[in-house]
Amino acid sequence: DAEITQSPRHKITETGRQVTLACHQTWNHNNMFWYRQDLGHGLRLIHYSYGVQDTNKGEVSDGYSVSRSNTEDLPLTLESAASSQTSVYFCASSQGVRQTQYFGPGTRLLVL
Amino acid sequence: GESVGLHLPTLSVQEGDNSIINCAYSNSASDYFIWYKQESGKGPQFIIDIRSNMDKRQGQRVTVLLNKTVKHLSLQIAATQPGDSAVYFCAESYSGGGADGLTFGKGTHLIIQP
Repeated sequence: DAEITQSPRHKITETGRQVTLACHQTWNHNNMFWYRQDLGHGLRLIHYSYGVQDTNKGEVSDGYSVSRSNTEDLPLTLESAASSQTSVYFCASSQGVRQTQYFGPGTRLLVL
Repeated sequence: GESVGLHLPTLSVQEGDNSIINCAYSNSASDYFIWYKQESGKGPQFIIDIRSNMDKRQGQRVTVLLNKTVKHLSLQIAATQPGDSAVYFCAESYSGGGADGLTFGKGTHLIIQP
């Protein structure tokens, strides 16, 4: 069955380190998204991509970057991790514009 | 602030009863709405969606109602089961909103009492 996976599921890192979170989908969806989820804020969009080589900033993009070299993957990189980036990160994908987004299981990141 | 919100942060219902979760939205241009269910430690799971050319849509044990006049969305869950315990989010979308224009509410926690 087609799915969307994230790795690692849990990560502990130190302030200032570079961290990359992986997202892989097998639906062949064009659109992919990264969100962070924090208590009191709900889901907030970090970056998104409408296709290979396309990336766009979302609501809370500072300190994060993404790259889209193929359809299946959209890795999220924290250039220099900060304690404020401690959160749960979700990747999602959708087939087309304004269609249902399907979410991965999430990555819980702790920055010490 | 959030353009999508929920009336109650926590809803407790008896097993077997029907549940109704409400959502208000403020953007009159929104024309696509989605309900998600999120269980503890998991990602949001799509439940049902509705477009603004409809007032009602039914799925398996779930019904979404859309009242565009008062900008209100509701999710009805019939014969609530223990497995329905979760946080439920509504999301709205409007043309030109960017990034598929999805804006998420903070969620309502549905608790099923035995």
